[in-house]
Amino acid sequence: GAGVSQSPSNKVTEKGKDVELRCDPISGHTALYWYRQRLGQGLEFLIYFQGNSAPDKSGLPSDRFSAERTGESVSTLTIQRTQQEDSAVYLCASSVPRERGGLYEQYFGPGTRLTVT
Amino acid sequence: AQSVTQLGSHVSVSEGALVLLRCNYSSSVPPYLFWYVQYPNQGLQLLLKYTSAATLVKGINGFEAEFKKSETSFHLTKPSAHMSDAAEYFCDLDGTALIFGKGTTLSVSS
Repeated sequence: GAGVSQSPSNKVTEKGKDVELRCDPISGHTALYWYRQRLGQGLEFLIYFQGNSAPDKSGLPSDRFSAERTGESVSTLTIQRTQQEDSAVYLCASSVPRERGGLYEQYFGPGTRLTVT
Repeated sequence: AQSVTQLGSHVSVSEGALVLLRCNYSSSVPPYLFWYVQYPNQGLQLLLKYTSAATLVKGINGFEAEFKKSETSFHLTKPSAHMSDAAEYFCDLDGTALIFGKGTTLSVSS
């Protein structure tokens, strides 16, 4: 079946503009995660959605960052008034949640490379 | 506090040599531990996972990892490196939070 997809694959934007990144999880995966990966660095957790529960936003770096998810499907990560330090690869992953059994591992999308000029 | 430490941001080995990538964790609950690999210009994919069923876990591409509670470690090994193993490797802890290590870049020379 189809994996996690993300769009766009690349985005170049000017400082101060808003951007929207999209993630389509694997069908049936109720858990969805967003991460940021800066050049040469590890994964930085941003936000976690699980079904209809309130999302875990503990990783969002500032109030310029927000994310939404419609039910158990598509999610969008929005960055307002982008700054140069927002340049990174933004990764989305989905999984079957632990409490539902399943294999627990996350399935990652290819990422969106964001460059803020 | 939960944490994951990957010792060595860069490991270089010769083709055919043993690969050892180190991961130590700290968790207040029994952890689930994962190793992911990221090949150049590709997304992350799961190599193997520990979910308490067995302490020695075998993954794809000949990799394996052993969960050692006494050492709070989950090191990744492969007996014989191949050029195609060159990639970035991430250790992931799923305890009360999701925590990835900073990654270890593996280089393989001929």
